[in-house]
Amino acid sequence: DAGITQSPRHKVTETGTPVTLRCHQTENHRYMYWYRQDPGHGLRLIHYSYGVKDTDKGEVSDGYSVSRSKTEDFLLTLESATSSQTSVYFCAISGNSGASYNEQFFGPGTRLTVL
Amino acid sequence: AQKVTQAQTEISVVEKEDVTLDCVYETRDTTYYLFWYKQPPSGELVFLIRRNSFDEQNEISGRYSWNFQKSTSSFNFTITASQVVDSAVYFCALSLMEYGNKLVFGAGTILRVKS
Repeated sequence: DAGITQSPRHKVTETGTPVTLRCHQTENHRYMYWYRQDPGHGLRLIHYSYGVKDTDKGEVSDGYSVSRSKTEDFLLTLESATSSQTSVYFCAISGNSGASYNEQFFGPGTRLTVL
Repeated sequence: AQKVTQAQTEISVVEKEDVTLDCVYETRDTTYYLFWYKQPPSGELVFLIRRNSFDEQNEISGRYSWNFQKSTSSFNFTITASQVVDSAVYFCALSLMEYGNKLVFGAGTILRVKS
């Protein structure tokens, strides 16, 4: 299995508080992604990174920011959490070339509840 | 824009029945990848198959088979002789062979296999 961990795995927070989710990989893969999973929508891309300090928006980026200061870590921040951001968040990675480029490996997910 | 449609929200079958999960995709690109992922009740995302747009050959892996038809933009997944352990949410996804390799997911199909 690809070495991807997410922390925390579960979090309950209150509306208006900042929240940061961490994705850590040990595969030295170039690309990292954050998705959210909601019933009826499957997974939707929030932000992704194509290298250290190189990030771009996905389909549902409003209310989220990301940072990648090291190859192995990709942080997702909710500056002021809202109840609509209650979801399961998945991090994924893919490599630079070949088979690892076209396949995304997913972390275990983080369940976030915003009250 | 890319889109993946899984019209079947939920399917229930009795063990040993065959079941087909439908996936229809939309893209204007000629080079792309199609995927199927399985999400068992434990929540992790399990990669099942990747197919590139140049390879329409059907694939069989044990009880699983996939039928890719570019003419109808479909990538259907069949489980033969279903088992209770096949109960899960199944996602079809599309990515373009472009910078970033972002995945677009369908909404998922819940498969319930009853004993």
